[in-house]
Amino acid sequence: DIQMTQSPSSLSASVGDRVTITCQASQDIKNYLNWYQHKPGKAPKLLIYDASNLQTGVPSRFSGSGSGTDFTFTISSLQPEDIATYYCQEYDNLSFTFGPGTKVDI
Amino acid sequence: EVQLVESGGGLVQPGRSLRLSCAASGFTFDDYAMHWVRQAPGTGLEWVSGINWNSGSIDYADSVKGRFTISRDNAKNSLFLQMNSLRAEDTALYYCAKATRGYLEGAFDMWGQGTMVTVSS
Repeated sequence: DIQMTQSPSSLSASVGDRVTITCQASQDIKNYLNWYQHKPGKAPKLLIYDASNLQTGVPSRFSGSGSGTDFTFTISSLQPEDIATYYCQEYDNLSFTFGPGTKVDI
Repeated sequence: EVQLVESGGGLVQPGRSLRLSCAASGFTFDDYAMHWVRQAPGTGLEWVSGINWNSGSIDYADSVKGRFTISRDNAKNSLFLQMNSLRAEDTALYYCAKATRGYLEGAFDMWGQGTMVTVSS
């Protein structure tokens, strides 16, 4: 089974700060990596698919990069509405494993 | 507007069964794979099961394999999850999610609000 790790598990930043979250897979997953935003009481929201593609309608301050086992998610300028937990998810070989999440606070 | 509405959750005793439903609207349901994802209290997201557009490809997480059965009725734009032999560790908010493609692989681009399942005596 593929294991996904994320770091940090939580962070606190100021409005306007650049925020970076890393996600590591236990084996090569090519670019089969998605990023989701999840706010309490709301449905999760797809932000980035296939490692680096911005989902339609998602603000351009969100971005993703990486391939193989190491991936990065960035918020270029943190906004108050970005308070949420962010999850990476792999989908190599029909396993769809989520990372443990990174809670972002302001 | 794309909408997914889950139903069927509730309080159930260990060992009993429950059937979840997800009603889809606003898109061509039989063009896309569908998934169930759950979130236990205080924890993260866990993929449960997925089914491709024509029910020809189905997959389960190891934690539910042999106990849960996913199905869909394309004529009724509906997704189902039959949950048998329920355990306390199945307690979670269950989300229905739409895939970006007709086959299982890919991202989940639309999610419902979830239905809560509590397994307790």
